[in-house]
This record gives sequence, C-alpha cells and structure tokens, in this order.
Amino acid sequence: GIQVEQSPPDLILQEGANSTLRCNFSDSVNNLQWFHQNPWGQLINLFYIPSGTKQNGRLSATTVATERYSLLYISSSQTTDSGVYFCAGFTGGGNKLTFGTGTQLKVEL
Amino acid sequence: GAGVSQSPSNKVTEKGKDVELRCDPISGHTALYWYRQSLGQGLEFLIYFQGNSAPDKSGLPSDRFSAERTGGSVSTLTIQRTQQEDSAVYLCATSYGQGTEAFFGQGTRLTVV
Repeated sequence: GIQVEQSPPDLILQEGANSTLRCNFSDSVNNLQWFHQNPWGQLINLFYIPSGTKQNGRLSATTVATERYSLLYISSSQTTDSGVYFCAGFTGGGNKLTFGTGTQLKVEL
Repeated sequence: GAGVSQSPSNKVTEKGKDVELRCDPISGHTALYWYRQSLGQGLEFLIYFQGNSAPDKSGLPSDRFSAERTGGSVSTLTIQRTQQEDSAVYLCATSYGQGTEAFFGQGTRLTVV
C-alpha cells in the first residue's frame, strides 16, 4: 500500500523558533491535508492543500504533488502549537484518507 | 450540525460485551469514515461510506466489527464480544464528497476491562 512518511518524528522548539515539517508519499495521493492533534486528542484541520501554497497566520503549507511531498511551516512557534502534526492524503480512488506517521512537536518556554 | 458529533465521549466496557459507537455527520456530507487510534499510534482506517454505494470495509480488523449508516446520515460502529486490544480512540470523519476535505469528530475513547 501507499506509505506516507513524516519527518522529523519528534521536534522540540523554544518558543519563537521556526520549523519545517515534511511529508513524503510513496505514490500519488490526492487532496493532501494537514492536521494538528492537540493534547486532548482532537484533530484540527490546518490545510486542505492538493497543490501549491497556502498561508494561515503563522502557518503555511506547500504541496508539490508531482514530486510527492508537502511541507508545513510553523513560524514564531508558541506553546499552544505543541501536539502531533499529521499529513494525510486520499488514496484508493478517494475511499481512504491515508495518514502519515506524524511529527510530535513540543514547544518550550 | 456545526461539526461532526460522536457519542459517547468515553466508554468503559467489560471484555466480551458488545458496544455501539455513534457518529452524527456534518449536514450535507455524503462521505463518512471511521478510524481507530491506539495509544501513541497513528490513525488506522476502518470503513468508508459514500452516499448509497456499498461501503469500503477493507480496514475492519475482524468480523467482530461492523458499521452501518442509516439514510445516508448517522453511522453506528458496532464491536461485538469486545477484547482488551479493542481499547482505543475511535474517530469519525465526514466530507462533502469523495476525496474532499475531511473533518473529524472528537472521538470515542473505548476502554475494555
């Protein structure tokens, strides 16, 4: 099956630092999404980004579908950014949203 | 409704009992997905419904698991004869159509004792 790898698996930042999270997929996926899973387990939608670049406040994302990767940029990180970041893309004709392995982010004061 | 609603939020059950988990989708969303997340793990696909089409059940781990979606709206995930390894958070997501942006509910935390 299609594999979705995320890097780095773990990341510790000082508040105010910037970071880039990467999502690589082994085959073509459609309609990539980025989620933030907060410490309470809720999955929050960050971006729906099949291709191109989008920005929302301190976050932005870029997907290059032809090269099978997506990047999530976090600028001026805050403690509330802590949690797990997942990318996911539709495979199997749109029947299945396949999740990446996740990046565990901790932002410290 | 405003978002995907799941109930109950938490469920503790004894090994061997049956449980039903409910998902109320966002109004107008025709696609519905069930996922399972074990402690500290990623999300495991279970089943997918799209409109009136036959569901994609390829992710169900055993025949103890089943799901239905009545009238293209509310969905129920049933686990029969629960086992301790069924303990996990069960998440439901819905989207407007096949392959469009998916939104998740808050999940049901199932503990089998």
